[in-house]
Amino acid sequence: DTAVSQTPKYLVTQMGNDKSIKCEQNLGHDTMYWYKQDSKKFLKIMFSYNNKELIINETVPNRFSPKSPDKAHLNLHINSLELGDSAVYFCASSQAIMRPQHFGDGTRLSIL
Amino acid sequence: EDQVTQSPEALRLQEGESSSLNCSYTVSGLRGLFWYRQDPGKGPEFLFTLYSAGEEKEKERLKATLTKKESFLHITAPKPEDSATYLCAVQAGGNEKLTFGTGTRLTIIP
Repeated sequence: DTAVSQTPKYLVTQMGNDKSIKCEQNLGHDTMYWYKQDSKKFLKIMFSYNNKELIINETVPNRFSPKSPDKAHLNLHINSLELGDSAVYFCASSQAIMRPQHFGDGTRLSIL
Repeated sequence: EDQVTQSPEALRLQEGESSSLNCSYTVSGLRGLFWYRQDPGKGPEFLFTLYSAGEEKEKERLKATLTKKESFLHITAPKPEDSATYLCAVQAGGNEKLTFGTGTRLTIIP
């Protein structure tokens, strides 16, 4: 029974397109996150939502817009995709601050 | 700004050869230090949380320790299935975000 699930697992698209990645967690957690892992495997926080409210926004271009329809879902929409957006995007959730974050298996985004 | 440095970048061990991975951190007000394991094509999998200097946690062949400046992940008599990238992350101040290190890629040779 998957705890944090992301779709799609792979996303290949052209530069300039708009795309979305979906994330759902069935752990009953209040907080959800988006991370970006670059080609050197460095994992960096992008956004965090707590009970559908944005609490962390880490200097991410405006082309990236998270949306949380309810506390079990956090989607990521990306406008006007650029080559530098190619990366693996991970969704995570946690019960509270200082509690472990549980990660999905990532969405590998490739921009042609 | 919070900083996390992991060493070595990569480590190859023979099966049964014990060793340690290092995670050095510079933060303002450590709330917790987290160790994760990441397999290729997968998301990070939680291993341990350490909250204060002197604390130790164990799980099978892994033991994590914490001082005021660094954490060690000791691996005793490793097996090939322990091969993975091990990530260290810190949570500091009133912030919920995790700041990750770049990881240690561990390979255990049968």
